[in-house]
Amino acid sequence: QSVLTQPPSASGTPGQRVTISCSGSSSNIESDYVCWYQQLPGTAPKVLIYKNDQRPSGVVDRFSGSKSGTSASLVISGLRSEDEADYYCAGWDGSVSGVVFGGGTKLTVL
Amino acid sequence: EVQVVESGGDIVQPGGSLRLSCAASGFTLGRYSVHWVRQAPGKGLVWVSRIHPDGIRIDYAGSVKGRFTVSRDNAKNTVYLQMNSLRAEDTAVYYCARDQGGEDDMWGQGTMVTVSS
Repeated sequence: QSVLTQPPSASGTPGQRVTISCSGSSSNIESDYVCWYQQLPGTAPKVLIYKNDQRPSGVVDRFSGSKSGTSASLVISGLRSEDEADYYCAGWDGSVSGVVFGGGTKLTVL
Repeated sequence: EVQVVESGGDIVQPGGSLRLSCAASGFTLGRYSVHWVRQAPGKGLVWVSRIHPDGIRIDYAGSVKGRFTVSRDNAKNTVYLQMNSLRAEDTAVYYCARDQGGEDDMWGQGTMVTVSS
């Protein structure tokens, strides 16, 4: 059972916009930054969003992040087949003095 | 090339020990916090530990506290994860991550640890 709650699956058709949610609490999301990772099959996670809504250089602007209160969201616009992957949210949790991850969302492009 | 590379994964019996290494190239690892994150087969990401640049401030997940020890050797541009009293549930791919969650977030390809008799 993960500290941060994500839907286990999401799906969309090419060109659609998909939102993946991440729900936490006052000790994690509400009080610190959230980041988002994409993990393609058989590869290491890659950061898509850091500090809630910042994109590292090299990440396309089809990916965007936001945070409000104890929840965060990742939006993928203009869905493409290569976006099919697992997505994880993560953040620092002051109550356990550690990083907590969401359980991951498997995105399927139909 | 700027990268971090994990090594040291192996098959070990329950109760055994293993030391993982996270070696950096192309940059100075000592300037960054380094995290260890693991992923059991078919499961999600689980944070294990963090060591600050000073090598003094270290945090551990409750599941590994007292069994795992993180250290760093800045002269070798390397961070280590010493794992003792290994259990079957420690079986996972172990990743090291530079500046996890930050602008310079970068992960290695991972190293597999299997705990089995």
